[in-house]
Amino acid sequence: GAGVSQSPSNKVTEKGKDVELRCDPISGHTALYWYRQSLGQGLEFLIYFQGNSAPDKSGLPSDRFSAERTGGSVSTLTIQRTQQEDSAVYLCASSAPTGANTGELFFGEGSRLTVL
Amino acid sequence: GNSVTQMEGPVTLSEEAFLTINCTYTATGYPSLFWYVQYPGEGLQLLLKATKADDKGSNKGFEATYRKETTSFHLEKGSVQVSDSAVYFCALKKRQTGANNLFFGTGTRLTVIP
Repeated sequence: GAGVSQSPSNKVTEKGKDVELRCDPISGHTALYWYRQSLGQGLEFLIYFQGNSAPDKSGLPSDRFSAERTGGSVSTLTIQRTQQEDSAVYLCASSAPTGANTGELFFGEGSRLTVL
Repeated sequence: GNSVTQMEGPVTLSEEAFLTINCTYTATGYPSLFWYVQYPGEGLQLLLKATKADDKGSNKGFEATYRKETTSFHLEKGSVQVSDSAVYFCALKKRQTGANNLFFGTGTRLTVIP
């Protein structure tokens, strides 16, 4: 697609349920990033993929959070046993090989998660 | 550690007013600095950047100068337009990292009224 696509755009779930958030990066972008934006907070880095491997997953807040990327393209962020503090907008970004190390990320519109 | 502190909003200005959004940073070494913008209904996009001290990034009439002595990267525009209404994020990237992991500020919402 023309841009980074995320789904669902909105998700309301009950505490304790699992959720999956999907990111489809720009075609050809080898690097993929997940960020979280909570109310009143800056964007919090979660995990970074280069191809299908994750050299940096230091931002995942707990072992309830996991992410995978397949085929060097689509990524899924999974949150197990959701808690109310997981409510946030989850942003995905990708960057081109030629843009590596330049700081230019292309963001999706985000998935807004609300845990009741 | 690495962090970015930016001016809290929201900021409301009349069209053609002068804009300043303050941003200061804390980082080890010499980071690269960025301003990203998020227009309503869209994803964040890079507005401008500066990679070393005294560099000035500019785009769409916006400017920001990398000031090492004050660890600042304030965003300015001489005459804002209604179409500039958006949320602006200051960010830094550690120079030595091979990835594009960015540290973002909390964002400042700008509303420009006709």
